[in-house]
Amino acid sequence: DQQVKQNSPSLSVQEGRISILNCDYTNSMFDYFLWYKKYPAEGPTFLISISSIKDKNEDGRFTVFLNKSAKHLSLHIVPSQPGDSAVYFCGKYNNNDMRFGAGTRLTVKP
Amino acid sequence: EAGVAQSPRYKIIEKRQSVAFWCNPISGHATLYWYQQILGQGPKLLIQFQNNGVVDDSQLPKDRFSAERLKGVDSTLKIQPAKLEDSAVYLCASSLVRGPTDTQYFGPGTRLTVL
Repeated sequence: DQQVKQNSPSLSVQEGRISILNCDYTNSMFDYFLWYKKYPAEGPTFLISISSIKDKNEDGRFTVFLNKSAKHLSLHIVPSQPGDSAVYFCGKYNNNDMRFGAGTRLTVKP
Repeated sequence: EAGVAQSPRYKIIEKRQSVAFWCNPISGHATLYWYQQILGQGPKLLIQFQNNGVVDDSQLPKDRFSAERLKGVDSTLKIQPAKLEDSAVYLCASSLVRGPTDTQYFGPGTRLTVL
């Protein structure tokens, strides 16, 4: 029962360019979507979120887009920095239930 | 502000043995979560507490896993007996209240290896 899918296990971008991380989901109507970032040997940390009534949320260099018709979520990081290198998890929250994707490892090269 | 504390950080046991993990949430956080993260997968929610009551444990394998949060603060997660497939990182998280807009803060996790 994979309600959240991140189909790209890894992504590599050059410093200063845009990073786009993608996520597909199922079974949603009033879900809330979140992105978490995880460094090695640390727990995930919250990055940005969006409710299902919106299609965009922005916080500094990070923007999340929600395409409800395609059931697709994406995180844009502009400009990318080497410190952004981490594993990014897409999450879906509904009725006390949180589901995460398998994660995408982002590497930002100097 | 101190973050979520977990211990031990690493644990190696043999199958059929028992193991327990401890979590101390951020002070004042009413909601506490336990997740299991198997290598190559995202965190999977096992159980969540609101104060000392269980909100949801639908994904907890209750034949071998148990969890408690006495006095609504610290929590322990136990596996008895452990199986090979229990090898994973066990993450504890806490939030001030319960809901999608309330950020979950994660601890560093306990890496369990079952041989």
